[in-house]
Amino acid sequence: QSALTQPASVSGSPGQSITISCTGTSSDVGGYNSVSWYQQHPGKAPKLMIYEVTNRPSGVSNRFSGSKSGNTASLTISGLQAEDEADYYCSSYTSISTLEVFGTGTKVTVL
Amino acid sequence: QLLESGGGLVQPGGSLRLSCAASGFTFSNYAMSWVRQAPGKGLECVSAVSGSGGSRYYADSLKGRFTISRDNSKNTVSLQMNSLRADDTAIYYCAKRARITVTGNWYFDLWGRGTLVTVSS
Repeated sequence: QSALTQPASVSGSPGQSITISCTGTSSDVGGYNSVSWYQQHPGKAPKLMIYEVTNRPSGVSNRFSGSKSGNTASLTISGLQAEDEADYYCSSYTSISTLEVFGTGTKVTVL
Repeated sequence: QLLESGGGLVQPGGSLRLSCAASGFTFSNYAMSWVRQAPGKGLECVSAVSGSGGSRYYADSLKGRFTISRDNSKNTVSLQMNSLRADDTAIYYCAKRARITVTGNWYFDLWGRGTLVTVSS
């Protein structure tokens, strides 16, 4: 099972909106509503930001939203803030492997 | 919270046992996992266990080298790692799933700070 494909980096200015894509296949992203997103600051543990494509855990800012179209899921960060600068990983259930598959990761830079 | 321990330096072919102590929630009600991150790399879920401990899952790449277990009386989950290789070098995170089963429960809502495992001679 290959990792899901994410852009290596995405950048934006404070206040702008950015979108991170996560591309898989019909065996994972496209076939199931089991996509989640994690934020990881340097040297820290990952933090759940979105689960089951569109759901936001309590305590996560509503500036973060998730969506999916076909085999590609997306995480949108609106009103970009300096604290959003981090690595972001998507994850999905896959029918090919025993456990879920993660994305390659995207570094978000706030200009 | 989740607190991992047991990481360290081990020679290739050696063994190591990681532990994770959980607090602040009813441990037996949730499936647990170990997720690793090699230096500068992405995330990989290596193992998972249901809330009862009766169902265990492993990444296909491990080829039977790792064993996950849990003790609900002590609120701990462990990962026994044997025949370690250089590519097992990583930070190992303990992660909580949102429900008691692993299947149909494909995200982690609480993570520990991780423990570093280095496999080198």
